[in-house]
Amino acid sequence: AQTVTQSQPEMSVQEAETVTLSCTYDTSESDYYLFWYKQPPSRQMILVIRQEAYKQQNATENRFSVNFQKAAKSFSLKISDSQLGDAAMYFCAYMGRETSGSRLTFGEGTQLTVNP
Amino acid sequence: NAGVTQTPKFQVLKTGQSMTLQCAQDMNHEYMSWYRQDPGMGLRLIHYSVGAGITDQGEVPNGYNVSRSTTEDFPLRLLSAAPSQTSVYFCASTKGGQFYEQYFGPGTRLTVT
Repeated sequence: AQTVTQSQPEMSVQEAETVTLSCTYDTSESDYYLFWYKQPPSRQMILVIRQEAYKQQNATENRFSVNFQKAAKSFSLKISDSQLGDAAMYFCAYMGRETSGSRLTFGEGTQLTVNP
Repeated sequence: NAGVTQTPKFQVLKTGQSMTLQCAQDMNHEYMSWYRQDPGMGLRLIHYSVGAGITDQGEVPNGYNVSRSTTEDFPLRLLSAAPSQTSVYFCASTKGGQFYEQYFGPGTRLTVT
């Protein structure tokens, strides 16, 4: 079974600084997706960024980028120029294309605080 | 499009009571899933469906029933609520071949006393 681990329950960053959230996963599949979701206090799950395993290039979305290390099974999220609105719970998630269908496996989450 | 809708937003139940959490989507998505979110554990899959009439168990199915009579609706039933089912419940849907695009509902916060 696939597992996703986020070893940082809480992180904090100063506004305008950069922060990196860690995620590791375990799978025997070769083709899969990895995601970072943001959950603000409203509870809504918001997709931040996704990475396809067969793509070597790291995904970027504006101030958000990932460091995808397939051999190490590591998928960290870097937030640059942090803003107050980035404060939220962040979840790393895995989806295997071969066996998992549409099912997501989530990590435990990292609560990010942004200090003014 | 309303996307994925869930009702109710909040619910308090007594132990042993039954209830149904509603989930509907208007995007003609074949795939629908139910997750529960508990502190420190992320979201865990309860049940999922790959189309009308087809359902299967996820990681934590005990105490929950589902059925999928239409493409649009995927209700989650608690037959006899227990305090361990206090959680936030999310419904999600996606289209076949586009699994990377998941749509989540706003969630239902359930408290069982």
